[in-house]
Amino acid sequence: KNEVEQSPQNLTAQEGEFITINCSYSVGISALHWLQQHPGGGIVSLFMLSSGKKKHGRLIATINIQEKHSSLHITASHPRDSAVYICAVAETGNQFYFGTGTSLTVIP
Amino acid sequence: NAGVTQTPKFQVLKTGQSMTLQCAQDMNHEYMSWYRQDPGMGLRLIHYSVGAGITDQGEVPNGYNVSRSTTEDFPLRLLSAAPSQTSVYFCASSYSRLGGNTIYFGEGSWLTVV
Repeated sequence: KNEVEQSPQNLTAQEGEFITINCSYSVGISALHWLQQHPGGGIVSLFMLSSGKKKHGRLIATINIQEKHSSLHITASHPRDSAVYICAVAETGNQFYFGTGTSLTVIP
Repeated sequence: NAGVTQTPKFQVLKTGQSMTLQCAQDMNHEYMSWYRQDPGMGLRLIHYSVGAGITDQGEVPNGYNVSRSTTEDFPLRLLSAAPSQTSVYFCASSYSRLGGNTIYFGEGSWLTVV
């Protein structure tokens, strides 16, 4: 059983395009995290949110608790945004569950 | 502030050998954990610790051992390596186990068992 589902699995975009990555989850959560993983590199936290919307530069993350859904948007995408984006949820009082990631390639 | 430091970055082991992956954090975090990342699968929890002297099993603990003698360090031991343990391993820490805290990851350890 997959507690966290991400879509799409793979995404190719032209530089400048608006990108959306979706995350659905099936458990009660205390927070949802968006993570970024560059090829051959470590994992960094982009956002942590439990309600509403957060923005950091060209990245926007939203969450709808009632629908158990979150989206990560990238505006004016750039080749340096190419990475794997991982959605993770912290089940209430329990452990983290991770999606399998969305591999994004932005072509110049 | 180094964050989470994980070593080694790359390691090749022969079947049956043992080794320890080191993990240290300098943020005084209570919660530390080890994950493995395999193609097509999300990060899976191996073991975790909620404080010095306290450890517990995650989703895939077999073949691995951990200890937490200090707040800073959380080593992962492979007791007798098997090819199925070929994976990328990540150590992570956060202030507490509760979800409303940023997760910090190490750089990852690429392990190949032949």
